[in-house]
Amino acid sequence: SQQGEEDPQALSIQEGENATMNCSYKTSINNLQWYRQNSGRGLVHLILIRSNEREKHSGRLRVTLDTSKKSSSLLITASRAADTASYFCATDEGGSWGKLQFGAGTQVVVTP
Amino acid sequence: NAGVTQTPKFQVLKTGQSMTLQCAQDMNHEYMSWYRQDPGMGLRLIHYSVGAGITDQGEVPNGYNVSRSTTEDFPLRLLSAAPSQTSVYFCASSQDASYGYTFGSGTRLTVV
Repeated sequence: SQQGEEDPQALSIQEGENATMNCSYKTSINNLQWYRQNSGRGLVHLILIRSNEREKHSGRLRVTLDTSKKSSSLLITASRAADTASYFCATDEGGSWGKLQFGAGTQVVVTP
Repeated sequence: NAGVTQTPKFQVLKTGQSMTLQCAQDMNHEYMSWYRQDPGMGLRLIHYSVGAGITDQGEVPNGYNVSRSTTEDFPLRLLSAAPSQTSVYFCASSQDASYGYTFGSGTRLTVV
């Protein structure tokens, strides 16, 4: 079974709006990562947040982590059409270095 | 160009045939992993490695073998192809557990 689960499964917004997606996971983690995948292509790493961090920013991306609730959120501010993609969270399970497991993803469509 | 190189990009196999998917990286990354991605699903971990000579099983290892004789290469062998192995396969590498992964562009495999 997959470690992470994203919510919602799909999200449709207009350019300029913010997009928020959530990730829940099951076990303790070393870190949590977010990736983007454009249709049919390889994944691109967006941001990594360690288990002892609560919030991290990178450009228009903001990631939060709540280890007590085993959940994370990814916020994309001022969305652009180029942000249209699938977004995946992935967790590096505590005690299992290198074992990075992915959720099923959130499909985001940003319309002009 | 630095990165993760996967070959071939496309492959059609007959049931029962064997083949090796190649993965090479030139970034001196210790961590390497193989994933499969099926329609509407996230990535599922097949096998992973935290260094030359060290491999371990992921979520869906059955029907696949790996070896890691060098830091650069991490081939994935399908022993006896089955239609259920029709999928897109991604290889990824990372410097260590503190960094995100770099993904290859994928191999689209069809087993008939």
